[in-house]
Amino acid sequence: DTGVSQNPRHKITKRGQNVTFRCDPISEHNRLYWYRQTLGQGPEFLTYFQNEAQLEKSRLLSDRFSAERPKGSFSTLEIQRTEQGDSAMYLCASSSGDREKLFFGSGTQLSVL
Amino acid sequence: AQKVTQAQTEISVVEKEDVTLDCVYETRDTTYYLFWYKQPPSGELVFLIRRNSFDEQNEISGRYSWNFQKSTSSFNFTITASQVVDSAVYFCALSEYTPLVFGKGTRLSVIA
Repeated sequence: DTGVSQNPRHKITKRGQNVTFRCDPISEHNRLYWYRQTLGQGPEFLTYFQNEAQLEKSRLLSDRFSAERPKGSFSTLEIQRTEQGDSAMYLCASSSGDREKLFFGSGTQLSVL
Repeated sequence: AQKVTQAQTEISVVEKEDVTLDCVYETRDTTYYLFWYKQPPSGELVFLIRRNSFDEQNEISGRYSWNFQKSTSSFNFTITASQVVDSAVYFCALSEYTPLVFGKGTRLSVIA
């Protein structure tokens, strides 16, 4: 069990640029979640997948955000035309089922200048 | 709608003191799960406990204990004889038939 892996750990970008983050979940987990965390706040749910199907998207996930999980393995989260308000820690988690405990990765810290 | 409130933003204690972190939740469902996570300075969220709504037994794990009271919609977390390594942000979370909803967290500082 190698845990949930996220890349990159840090990303600095200029406003208006596109960025993509990757998450590799624990291999036997069929559920994968994306959360966003800003300073002093708890993680906020963005979206989640069961295998390759995206089952739910938060209202926080604007049209500039898109997530995929091809073949039900790793997942990518893309943010197009980044804005300064997108600066946050993006957390990925995986679980073995509904309402099971989530295993989190170390996150990707995004800074939009 | 589900909601988790952690009214204590920051707590500071001296090593070996006991400390209780409060968590109050709101839900319309009778079936739900409650969680506690720890986020140390390294940043990675670490699972501590999961409790379902039908099990109100208190739980103890080493220096950690949890008190679940449905009557007051609370799921409080106590650390006995705190240590410097307990310094972290602690999050309470709730799940109905939806992904986890987290509280804003309580930052605990344990001073040597």
